Amino acid sequence: DTAVSQTPKYLVTQMGNDKSIKCEQNLGHDTMYWYKQDSKKFLKIMFSYNNKELIINETVPNRFSPKSPDKAHLNLHINSLELGDSAVYFCASSQSRYEQYFGPGTRLTVT
Amino acid sequence: KQEVTQIPAALSVPEGENLVLNCSFTDSAIYNLQWFRQDPGKGLTSLLLIQSSQREQTSGRLNASLDKSSGRSTLYIAASQPGDSATYLCAVRGGSNYKLTFGKGTLLTVNP
Repeated sequence: DTAVSQTPKYLVTQMGNDKSIKCEQNLGHDTMYWYKQDSKKFLKIMFSYNNKELIINETVPNRFSPKSPDKAHLNLHINSLELGDSAVYFCASSQSRYEQYFGPGTRLTVT
Repeated sequence: KQEVTQIPAALSVPEGENLVLNCSFTDSAIYNLQWFRQDPGKGLTSLLLIQSSQREQTSGRLNASLDKSSGRSTLYIAASQPGDSATYLCAVRGGSNYKLTFGKGTLLTVNP
């Protein structure tokens, strides 16, 4: 039983393309997150949704747009991909401010 | 702005040794602190969560302590095993939006 799942696991694309990453959690949590882990393995929050409402929006280029169709899903759409967007993107969920559970990550490579 | 520092950045120990990983944070007004492990190419696995009102949490061979006033947490691993080899990440939740701020991790290698 996968608690937090992401698709795809790997994504290789060219500069300028638009791509989406999907995330689903089956834990019944009310809060979901997107994190970016850069080449130096540093993890940083990008967005957070609580009950489908955006509550955290860090300094992220507006080419990145999260969408939460329901409490169990949080997708990340990226427009006009750039080389610097190459990273591992993690989805996570929690019940309110409690323990966060992470997905397996999506490794995005922009060529 | 919250900053989280983990020392050491890397640690190599022989199997069976007890060890301590350190985490410090600059803003003591935290809601909770979470320790994770990350295996190469994998996601994060939550190990322990300590609420701000707690002093420690234990799970098996792991014990995490929290001293909020001094901005420190430690993760103690007893009788280390090669399977414990991974990167250990400390993260604190706080601020007006209760976001999780991560340290850069400690890469642990346990040699058989």
